[in-house]
Amino acid sequence: DAKTTQPPSMDCAEGRAANLPCNHSTISGNEYVYWYRQIHSQGPQYIIHGLKNNETNEMASLIITEDRKSSTLILPHATLRDTAVYYCIVRAMDSNYQLIWGAGTKLII
Amino acid sequence: DAGITQSPRHKVTETGTPVTLRCHQTENHRYMYWYRQDPGHGLRLIHYSYGVKDTDKGEVSDGYSVSRSKTEDFLLTLESATSSQTSVYFCATHAYEVDGYTFGSGTRLTVV
Repeated sequence: DAKTTQPPSMDCAEGRAANLPCNHSTISGNEYVYWYRQIHSQGPQYIIHGLKNNETNEMASLIITEDRKSSTLILPHATLRDTAVYYCIVRAMDSNYQLIWGAGTKLII
Repeated sequence: DAGITQSPRHKVTETGTPVTLRCHQTENHRYMYWYRQDPGHGLRLIHYSYGVKDTDKGEVSDGYSVSRSKTEDFLLTLESATSSQTSVYFCATHAYEVDGYTFGSGTRLTVV
C-alpha cells in the first residue's frame, strides 16, 4: 500500500499557484519525499524531492512541515500544460529501490 | 526523455509467444527499472537492476525475466505472453540513489 495520502482531484485557474497537498504521517527519518507527474499516456516525469528542508527548482517548490508528516507541492504559475496526475512518494535510501505509487492527484488547470 | 529509448513503442502479439522489450539509455545511469501500468493500478515494479548483470525482482515479476549485459541496455522478456500481460510498460533510470527517476515514453503491449 502507498505510504502517502493525496486528494483524488483538484482544480486550479490558469496563472494561479497550484498547491498540491500530501500526507505522509508514517514517514521515517531516512525517507525522502518525491513528487512526480504523469501527463496523459506519457511516462512519469520527476519534479522535485526533499528530506526535511524546503526545496525549489525551475519547475516547482516543495514545502515539508517541520514534523515531516505532510508536504505541499507548489506550481507557482499553473498553465494548461500542468494538467496531469501528480504523485507524492516517500522512499528510503536503504530500500530495495522500490517506489510505491498511489493513485495520485488529478490536477486540472 | 531523449536519453532513454524504449522499443518497440507499440506491439500486438499472440498468447504463448515470447516477447522482448528493450530499454536503451545514453546517460550511463547505474540503476534501471521496468514498471507496468494498468487502469486502476499505480505503476508496479517488475524487475530492477543496480548494475551490469545485477538484477532483482519487483512486486509483479512472475512471467517476466530481465537481462542487463551492458550499462545502456535493460531487456524485459515475457517468456510466454498471456492476456494478463497486456499493459503499458515503462523503463526508468537514475544515476545515484537519491536521484529522481527518468522515465521512458513507454511500450504499449497488447496480447491477443
